[in-house]
Amino acid sequence: GQSLEQPSEVTAVEGAIVQINCTYQTSGFYGLSWYQQHDGGAPTFLSYNALDGLEETGRFSSFLSRSDSYGYLLLQELQMKDSASYFCAVRDQTGRRALTFGSGTRLQVQP
Amino acid sequence: DVKVTQSSRYLVKRTGEKVFLECVQDMDHENMFWYRQDPGLGLRLIYFSYDVKMKEKGDIPEGYSVSREKKERFSLILESASTNQTSMYLCASRGTYNEQFFGPGTRLTVL
Repeated sequence: GQSLEQPSEVTAVEGAIVQINCTYQTSGFYGLSWYQQHDGGAPTFLSYNALDGLEETGRFSSFLSRSDSYGYLLLQELQMKDSASYFCAVRDQTGRRALTFGSGTRLQVQP
Repeated sequence: DVKVTQSSRYLVKRTGEKVFLECVQDMDHENMFWYRQDPGLGLRLIYFSYDVKMKEKGDIPEGYSVSREKKERFSLILESASTNQTSMYLCASRGTYNEQFFGPGTRLTVL
């Protein structure tokens, strides 16, 4: 089967940088995605890494190392509105195009 | 913008009732998914569909069925609701670049 591990909670202050790690185990790998979910809201897509390296989108960056089965989401210049849960996800090994999600990291940004 | 809508935000049903949750997407996506989300467990795949009248079981299909008669609509059916099906239900459709677009969710309570 597949499994993903990420920290359950992270706390940081406004303006800081925070890194949310994700390690995964899967026999077939098609890429690592990140989603953001605010309380009471739906998950929204943030980024997708299929190849090793860093992808940057504004204040958010995502990194992947396939050899280490590891990725992270980097949030810079934290704002209060970044307080949310962040999920990493891998595409299913059977190629069924579904995602397997981690259990999520709750980020709390403090003033 | 892709829009995924779900028929209800909140639903309260009694044990044994048949429950229909409907999902509609407006981007002509072929792949659609139903997840449930429970605290500490992340999102778990119930069923998915590749195309009209095509359906596949996900990781936790027991107690559920689905229907996809039209490309834009994917329905989740709880044949006989039970209290352990109290959860947040999220529908999603898959875009061109593997990203998934989620609906706002239906919070179902089974009494």
